[in-house]
Formats: sequence, structure tokens, C-alpha cells
Amino acid sequence: SQTIHQWPATLVQPVGSPLSLECTVEGTSNPNLYWYRQAAGRGLQLLFYSVGIGQISSEVPQNLSASRPQDRQFILSSKKLLLSDSGFYLCAGKGAEAFFGQGTRLTVV
Amino acid sequence: GDSVTQMEGPVTLSEEAFLTINCTYTATGYPSLFWYVQYPGEGLQLLLKATKADDKGSNKGFEATYRKETTSFHLEKGSVQVSDSAVYFCALMTGNNRLAFGKGNQVVVIP
Repeated sequence: SQTIHQWPATLVQPVGSPLSLECTVEGTSNPNLYWYRQAAGRGLQLLFYSVGIGQISSEVPQNLSASRPQDRQFILSSKKLLLSDSGFYLCAGKGAEAFFGQGTRLTVV
Repeated sequence: GDSVTQMEGPVTLSEEAFLTINCTYTATGYPSLFWYVQYPGEGLQLLLKATKADDKGSNKGFEATYRKETTSFHLEKGSVQVSDSAVYFCALMTGNNRLAFGKGNQVVVIP
């Protein structure tokens, strides 16, 4: 079955520090991969979308970037975190069906 | 663009009560529609889906019918249990494989 391993589950980082969230996929090859964020009181907003290695589409302007160095690896990064980057980050994939990681609760302090 | 709207606010109800969570959508073409559930401490998981008009998705006692005329996909369950307490997300899949989510509704079932 298709699964996503996403870590860590929770993270507290100071303003101005870098960020790296990673998710890895098992059980399928060449999936579409997505990074979503849910800020407090809002829905899941699509941040980045990838159809293959090195192919990244950014959906909204922001302080974050994404990379896909391998078919089953999708990384969300920031060089300097802002307070407004706090939220719940979710990695998702789509092969035959959509499937999700556990999510990461990021608090920037 | 394509979007999903869910009713505002948490939903609190007693065990064995009837649950309805409203979901309406805006989309070009004919999207697939989904309900996802996130139980406390767990990730998102698919609850049910419908891929075309008048389809009814069902799972674990939950049902939702794809209503093209009202662009709705309301989630219903006739008799909720405490174990149904979770956050429920309505979503649609666009033609270019993007998932658009609603804000989610926290459901709290009181024994």
C-alpha cells in the first residue's frame, strides 16, 4: 500500500532559524507529491506541487521552498523562519489514490 | 479557482444524534469529491468518495451524495458514537490532480 513517512510530528523553532521537513514515499513510484499548510482557523492550503524529480510548482508566494531530489523524497525548506510560518504542514501524494503523511505541527517562537 | 466551502465552527452533539456537515464546492468541469477524517493524534485518511454526479459514497455509517445541481457533498451519519470525534475535511480533486480542501470541521461527540 502507498504510505508517506513525514517527520517530525512536532517542531518548535525560533524566528530566523532554518527549516527542513522531509517526507518519503513507499509503495508507489512516480507519484504526484504535495505540501499543504493549515494555518490556525484556515483550511489546508496547497503550497507546492511536484510531478517528478526536480519539478516543483509553487502555488502561493511565501517564505518557503520545496525540492524533490529523488522520486520518493519531497523536502520543504526555509532559510529563515517567520512567525507567520507557524502551522500544520502536511505532505500528500497521489498515485491511484491520494495518501497522506501524519503532518508536522510547526510553532515558530 | 476551484474551492471547497465547509460550514463554520465546531460541531458538538450527543452520542446517537444525527450528524450533518455541509460542504459545497466551486469547480470547472467535473471534479471528484472526497471526505477525509483526522482522528486525534493521527494523519488524514480517506473516509469516502464520489467520482460523478449522483454517486453516493459510504463508509463506517457515513454517507455523502454528489449533488451537481446544488454543487454539494454533505456528509451525514444517522447515529454518531464517541469514537467519531475527529476533524472532517471535504475535498475535491481537479482535472490536473490538485486536491483542494475545505477548512475542516471539528466534531465532538459527548457520551
